[in-house]
Amino acid sequence: GENVEQHPSTLSVQEGDSAVIKCTYSDSASNYFPWYKQELGKRPQLIIDIRSNVGEKKDQRIAVTLNKTAKHFSLHITETQPEDSAVYFCAASKGAGSYQLTFGKGTKLSVIP
Amino acid sequence: GAGVSQSPSNKVTEKGKDVELRCDPISGHTALYWYRQSLGQGLEFLIYFQGNSAPDKSGLPSDRFSAERTGGSVSTLTIQRTQQEDSAVYLCASSLDAGGAKTQYFGPGTRLLVL
Repeated sequence: GENVEQHPSTLSVQEGDSAVIKCTYSDSASNYFPWYKQELGKRPQLIIDIRSNVGEKKDQRIAVTLNKTAKHFSLHITETQPEDSAVYFCAASKGAGSYQLTFGKGTKLSVIP
Repeated sequence: GAGVSQSPSNKVTEKGKDVELRCDPISGHTALYWYRQSLGQGLEFLIYFQGNSAPDKSGLPSDRFSAERTGGSVSTLTIQRTQQEDSAVYLCASSLDAGGAKTQYFGPGTRLLVL
């Protein structure tokens, strides 16, 4: 089955700096890669996703890049703010005909004011 | 509109007792998923429903775990003879359907503590 590795497990950045979280996956058939943000005690919320027909997607301060050859994808947050502090999870699935999201173990991001 | 809801929000039980966890998906969503999140860990897939059918139950950790869905809406996850290692947050998610990588929307979870 699919295996998703996520690094780093913890990340501290100064407010205004950029943060990068990286994930690798094992199943070359995976073609859908969402990122979820989970604040303490709250539900995971989708912040951005990417499908394998594109290499990069951007939404304001958040961007995701995908390298299908190397089987890795990354989340980039620019101009970080204290409210970006949370646990971020990457996930992978095979999309059509498949349903299961396989998650990484999460990255705890702390933005220091 | 209303999001995914789950009840109870917290459940404390004694080892050996049975528990039932409930999930109400977003109206119109035909696919429903159960995940388990242990402390400091990622989300572990348990089972999913397309309508009332559960095509894949392989993620359930043992035969003490079962789930059902009726009327294509509400789902119940039942854990029999609970063990301390069952303590975790149980998250439910729903999506429009299970095909084409539809976005999964999560509920707030049920925090289960087995003493």
